[in-house]
Amino acid sequence: EDQVTQSPEALRLQEGESSSLNCSYTVSGLRGLFWYRQDPGKGPEFLFTLYSAGEEKEKERLKATLTKKESFLHITAPKPEDSATYLCAVQMNYGGATNKLIFGTGTLLAVQP
Amino acid sequence: DTGVSQNPRHKITKRGQNVTFRCDPISEHNRLYWYRQTLGQGPEFLTYFQNEAQLEKSRLLSDRFSAERPKGSFSTLEIQRTEQGDSAMYLCASSVPRDRTSGNTIYFGEGSWLTVV
Repeated sequence: EDQVTQSPEALRLQEGESSSLNCSYTVSGLRGLFWYRQDPGKGPEFLFTLYSAGEEKEKERLKATLTKKESFLHITAPKPEDSATYLCAVQMNYGGATNKLIFGTGTLLAVQP
Repeated sequence: DTGVSQNPRHKITKRGQNVTFRCDPISEHNRLYWYRQTLGQGPEFLTYFQNEAQLEKSRLLSDRFSAERPKGSFSTLEIQRTEQGDSAMYLCASSVPRDRTSGNTIYFGEGSWLTVV
């Protein structure tokens, strides 16, 4: 069964304390892996799409990496405004028949000043 | 371009009533998706349109749910005979086919909150 698992469920960091969030997946053929940020009561905000193992993308204090079985979202020197839920999603390759995303349950990040 | 727009943002309805949500995708995005999200969970796929054609439906989309996208522009999601279990945030998203420059970016709207009392 296609599955996406995120860990930890919740993470509390001090401002400036770097860390990583994990997203592991078991899918039969990966078309793309997506990272989103979601603030309370809002829709997910797009961060990155990764397509192949070894790929990396960066945006400000965030860097996403991808292997054949998992992805990491590295947060360097976080600030309180980075506090949010970070969602990981995968898009499978079913010969082009589907474009749906399968989401994990997210990691709730709290950065304290 | 103001992004994906959803209306209404909040809806409280009595059990058994019908509700309709509207989504206006980013202009020129031919792909449109509906998802549902409950507290503490990630969004769950409901249905997908390419232009006006509904190409995929989740088994979560019971007979009480119907989605349309006339003329391949805006979309509506209607829930008939609402139940308390329908209470959730309904998210719309849109995208264009992946190309070398833009990649595959799926943008979400702010969501429509449904509370069934």
